Amino acid sequence: SAVISQKPSRDICQRGTSLTIQCQVDSQVTMMFWYRQQPGQSLTLIATANQGSEATYESGFVIDKFPISRPNLTFSTLTVSNMSPEDSSIYLCSALDRDSYEQYFGPGTRLTVT
Amino acid sequence: GNSVTQMEGPVTLSEEAFLTINCTYTATGYPSLFWYVQYPGEGLQLLLKATKADDKGSNKGFEATYRKETTSFHLEKGSVQVSDSAVYFCALSDVVRNNDMRFGAGTRLTVKP
Repeated sequence: SAVISQKPSRDICQRGTSLTIQCQVDSQVTMMFWYRQQPGQSLTLIATANQGSEATYESGFVIDKFPISRPNLTFSTLTVSNMSPEDSSIYLCSALDRDSYEQYFGPGTRLTVT
Repeated sequence: GNSVTQMEGPVTLSEEAFLTINCTYTATGYPSLFWYVQYPGEGLQLLLKATKADDKGSNKGFEATYRKETTSFHLEKGSVQVSDSAVYFCALSDVVRNNDMRFGAGTRLTVKP
């Protein structure tokens, strides 16, 4: 299994600013993912982040708004740029265990934009 | 594309009642199926999984069987407890194609003493 931590756990930000969320995994993983969970909703995949290549974004999400870095096999960041209140959400990262095909999730970052 | 349709909630049960949360899926390829649980204020935890047809996943008294003929993966528990109150998400992942996970809408379960 993998243990995933995220920083910050929560933040309140002003519109127009940007926030970078960090995701750390306690083991090396090939595939990491970023999800958004809006209040009372399910999880929506933002992008897949593989080490050594550009992130792959899902429909409705663009790199300019959600730039992602994946500098090594244990770490990734997601930036929420030029924030608006509609970006208020929980952002979760996950990592895929290739042996078990299980995805392990971080605790999430609760973002509120005012 | 791949998708999951999950029973709408919320579901309210009395302690020791029988629980069923329906989940059906649409997929090309050979998906693995999962149930995740999210307790209040916490992240997602894997509850159980099944990787091929007729597999039964089980954990903490919960179980679900991968039914390819009905494209279903219904979650069941014979006797729920107050501590089972949470949101339950059905999900699928096509491990052959791209590994990204598709989630159902989630079902909020409240168990009353």
